[in-house]
Amino acid sequence: QVQLVQSGAEVRKPGASVKVSCKASGYTFSAYYIHWVRQAPGQGLEWMGWINPKSGGTNYAQKFRGRVTMTRDTSITTAYMELSGLRSGDTAVYYCAREVDMTIGFDPWGQGTLVTVSS
Amino acid sequence: DIQLTQSPSLLSASVGDRVTITCRASQDISTYLVWYQQKPGKAPKLLIYAAYTLHSGVPSRFSGSGSGTEFTLTISSLQPEDFATYYCQHLNSYPFGQGTKLEIK
Repeated sequence: QVQLVQSGAEVRKPGASVKVSCKASGYTFSAYYIHWVRQAPGQGLEWMGWINPKSGGTNYAQKFRGRVTMTRDTSITTAYMELSGLRSGDTAVYYCAREVDMTIGFDPWGQGTLVTVSS
Repeated sequence: DIQLTQSPSLLSASVGDRVTITCRASQDISTYLVWYQQKPGKAPKLLIYAAYTLHSGVPSRFSGSGSGTEFTLTISSLQPEDFATYYCQHLNSYPFGQGTKLEIK
């Protein structure tokens, strides 16, 4: 079955970076964009950007440009999201999700990775 | 940038009730609108795409309607497993609505 499995929880100090992985299985990895979405505690969903696994092309939300880098390794069907310059407001659950196409939306989603930023 | 506004933010209802959640877009987005359901501690799940098409496996008590700037998600007869938070999303610039928490009355 189509599945996205993310790496485990992380704790970082302010100013540090974090890299979260998203392992895809059950489908042709290069055929579908991977998006990253975050959710701060008790808050709503916030779109961060996407990566095209085939070309490596990316598109980041304005809010995160300059701090986020999305990459992929097609040999192991894994996408990555790295966020730098972490601050307490970046404490959130980070999700990866597969875009089926631009009329259908995101399915499935990874299980989420909690990133805690604390001194 | 397109913004999505959901109402209400919190909805209290009982099992068997019919409920409707509204999502309004700041400009015309045709039918590029999807709905997700999220339960506590879980990832969101796709419910409806293209404004009114049920995703595979979603019960028929869920329905969506609308186009342009106003959209609705309706649950015809609430079941215990439907109490969750619901989000709309536009599939172009990908913003989400702020969410509607559906709680048991």
